[in-house]
Amino acid sequence: AQSVTQPDIHITVSEGASLELRCNYSYGATPYLFWYVQSPGQGLQLLLKYFSGDTLVQGIKGFEAEFKRSQSSFNLRKPSVHWSDAAEYFCAVGGYYGQNFVFGPGTRLSVLP
Amino acid sequence: DTAVSQTPKYLVTQMGNDKSIKCEQNLGHDTMYWYKQDSKKFLKIMFSYNNKELIINETVPNRFSPKSPDKAHLNLHINSLELGDSAVYFCASSQVGVQGGETQYFGPGTRLLVL
Repeated sequence: AQSVTQPDIHITVSEGASLELRCNYSYGATPYLFWYVQSPGQGLQLLLKYFSGDTLVQGIKGFEAEFKRSQSSFNLRKPSVHWSDAAEYFCAVGGYYGQNFVFGPGTRLSVLP
Repeated sequence: DTAVSQTPKYLVTQMGNDKSIKCEQNLGHDTMYWYKQDSKKFLKIMFSYNNKELIINETVPNRFSPKSPDKAHLNLHINSLELGDSAVYFCASSQVGVQGGETQYFGPGTRLLVL
């Protein structure tokens, strides 16, 4: 069965520091991979997605993620974190009609001034 | 011009009551979903509809009944509400893209509190 793990439950970084959030997946076919962000009290916003092609994908708000098939990973990165990036981040793996759409448990990001 | 909208945003009710949550999308998508997010932020799919037909029905109590009057709307009706139903419910919609993958777009959520 497909699954997504996000090893870090909570990460704290200082504003201006770089960020990497880890995501590992288990999926029987070519995965479609996503990162979503949920600000406090808000819905989920799509940051970026990988379907095929270039394994380094760019997203909104200065985020990027790299798909590494050999490591079954899709880690999210940002070179310089802003205080407004404090939120919950979810990695997800999907397929057609949402049948295989599975979210990871989320990583909460705190940003120190 | 909200893409996926849900009403109400907050819902506080007593145990045993029946309530409905409405969802509408103006993206022209064929598929809509309901997710439940528990207190630990874990997201789990409940239902999926494609062109008004039920595609996915996860292990959800039959007190929960989705209704799709047309492909732009997917409502969730909950009978005999229980304390454990307290959660945030998200509606989402999606369309298969040219690359074959499907991107889901989420509504703002409905925060349900059962007392």
